[in-house]
Amino acid sequence: GAVVSQHPSWVICKSGTSVKIECRSLDFQATTMFWYRQFPKQSLMLMATSNEGSKATYEQGVEKDKFLINHASLTLSTLTVTSAHPEDSSFYICSALRSGAHTQYFGPGTRLTVL
Amino acid sequence: DAKTTQPPSMDCAEGRAANLPCNHSTISGNEYVYWYRQIHSQGPQYIIHGLKNNETNEMASLIITEDRKSSTLILPHATLRDTAVYYCIVSSAVGAGNNRKLIWGLGTSLAVNP
Repeated sequence: GAVVSQHPSWVICKSGTSVKIECRSLDFQATTMFWYRQFPKQSLMLMATSNEGSKATYEQGVEKDKFLINHASLTLSTLTVTSAHPEDSSFYICSALRSGAHTQYFGPGTRLTVL
Repeated sequence: DAKTTQPPSMDCAEGRAANLPCNHSTISGNEYVYWYRQIHSQGPQYIIHGLKNNETNEMASLIITEDRKSSTLILPHATLRDTAVYYCIVSSAVGAGNNRKLIWGLGTSLAVNP
């Protein structure tokens, strides 16, 4: 149990376009999902915390108008990178937390490359 | 900033036990110790967590000192597939989503050698 998927696994886009990444909890309901990004040879950096049915809480320095997060259901959260630029190229990872549970389970990640 | 300190790298021979230390001297009473690992270019994988008692599951054992200021993750018989970066994280296990966030340090890069 506790499987989290992400789609797409990788994406290449042109500068100025928007990209949507989906995160799904496949076999449990996730009241909270987290979005991270990871640059090469660095650790995971939390971008935002998303609770189902409410607005996401963004970490300091993360632009909420650039990284749009929607958590419309208990099994799906989406991250949209708007007007992507090459510096947004990174590995984006989501995690999901079941209500009352201890453990966050992570998706496999999405590799974004902006040309 | 991460609340834990780990050695940047370790080596282990295949088939031997790998003991990965972690210092968390500022841990508070309601915070758990979590261990995750990340194999290159994949999402992190949950390993184990504990509050104050030692824990064991099919993947590993977690030994927490009595004062809770440090812990050790033990992989009893390391294999080549255990080569990964191992992260020790302390976090609250109660409350709303924002109280449950994980702050990641640089972890320990474990190399299991044949």
